[in-house]
Amino acid sequence: AQKITQTQPGMFVQEKEAVTLDCTYDTSDQSYGLFWYKQPSSGEMIFLIYQGSYDEQNATEGRYSLNFQKARKSANLVISASQLGDSAMYFCAMRDNNNDMRFGAGTRLTVKP
Amino acid sequence: NAGVTQTPKFQVLKTGQSMTLQCAQDMNHEYMSWYRQDPGMGLRLIHYSVGAGITDQGEVPNGYNVSRSTTEDFPLRLLSAAPSQTSVYFCAASGDWDTEAFFGQGTRLTVV
Repeated sequence: AQKITQTQPGMFVQEKEAVTLDCTYDTSDQSYGLFWYKQPSSGEMIFLIYQGSYDEQNATEGRYSLNFQKARKSANLVISASQLGDSAMYFCAMRDNNNDMRFGAGTRLTVKP
Repeated sequence: NAGVTQTPKFQVLKTGQSMTLQCAQDMNHEYMSWYRQDPGMGLRLIHYSVGAGITDQGEVPNGYNVSRSTTEDFPLRLLSAAPSQTSVYFCAASGDWDTEAFFGQGTRLTVV
């Protein structure tokens, strides 16, 4: 069965610095996708970045990058040059081709001015 | 485009009542899912569908039913509401298993 683990309930980062949010996963499938979503206090779910299990390059989207280490089954999100608006809950999720998307418990990121 | 639309946005039910949460998408996506999010927690998968006429259970299916008669609609039925079903419910749609899921704005349900 799929399992997504986010071990950091809360993280703090100084504005303009980089921060890494951890995510590990467990699946027996060879084909799977890893996703990160942001949930601000307003409650909506905002897609940030995707990494496929067969992608050789780490995914990047603007200030977001995904540090994908397949052998360690980790998919950490790196946010560079943090902004006050980055304060939110961040969820790691995975989907393989036998199941639907499942989420970790989330990390609450607070950006300090 | 509207994307994924959930109705209602807020609902209060009495224990034992039944109701249907509506979810509609206009993106012609095959995959649709229902999640619940309890305070301070992640999203847990209730039921999902990989196409019209096909549904499957997720992590927490008990007390909920779904059907998928069309590509556009994926209603979630609470059979006999219980206080433990107080939560925020999200519906999501995606085009394929390896593409992003688009979420509705959520339904905040309180069972008293």
